Amino acid sequence: QSVLTQPSSVSAAPGQKVTISCSGSRSNIGTNYVSWYQQFPGTAPKLLIYDNTERPSGIPDRFSASKTYTSTTLGITGLQTGDEADYYCGSWDSSLRAVVFGGGTKLTVL
Amino acid sequence: QVQLVESGGGLVKPGESLRLACEGSGFTFSDYYMNWIRQAPGKGLEWVAYITASGRTIFYADSVKGRFTISRDNAKNSLYLQMSSLRAEDTAVYFCARDKFYYDSGSFHYFFDYWGQGTPVTVSS
Repeated sequence: QSVLTQPSSVSAAPGQKVTISCSGSRSNIGTNYVSWYQQFPGTAPKLLIYDNTERPSGIPDRFSASKTYTSTTLGITGLQTGDEADYYCGSWDSSLRAVVFGGGTKLTVL
Repeated sequence: QVQLVESGGGLVKPGESLRLACEGSGFTFSDYYMNWIRQAPGKGLEWVAYITASGRTIFYADSVKGRFTISRDNAKNSLYLQMSSLRAEDTAVYFCARDKFYYDSGSFHYFFDYWGQGTPVTVSS
């Protein structure tokens, strides 16, 4: 059971927008910054979002994120078939003194 | 460009040991905290351990505490994970990852900006 909770799967049509939620608690998302990672099958995860809302160089602005107190949401607009991947949220948990991840969400672009 | 290359994975029996290595290039290795993160087959990401740039501070996940040891040799630009008393549930792909970890205004910033390609570890009799 992951400390951060994500839906196991989401789907949407090409060109549409999809959101992926990630909920935690005061000791992780409620206090600390969140990051998001994209992972294609058989490859390493790739940083997509850091510090709640920031995109690393090279990540298109179709990817964005927002945060409320203990939850964060990744949004992807203008969906492409190449966006089909697993997406993970992560944060430092101040009580556990550990990095915690969500269980991952599989995005299907129909 | 930044590269992280893991090695050392393989098939071992329960109770045996294995040492993983990760060599970094394209950046000043001694300036960065480093981590091991694993992913069991068909499962999500699980953080395993981190080590500060100097090697003086180390944290482990509870699931590996007392069995795994993270270390680094900055002169060789290398990170290591010594795994002992291995169990079937340690079967996973093990990634090394560089992180940005700092504390600012009451909050921790922690994210992994570069990852290696992973090395598979299988624990089975």
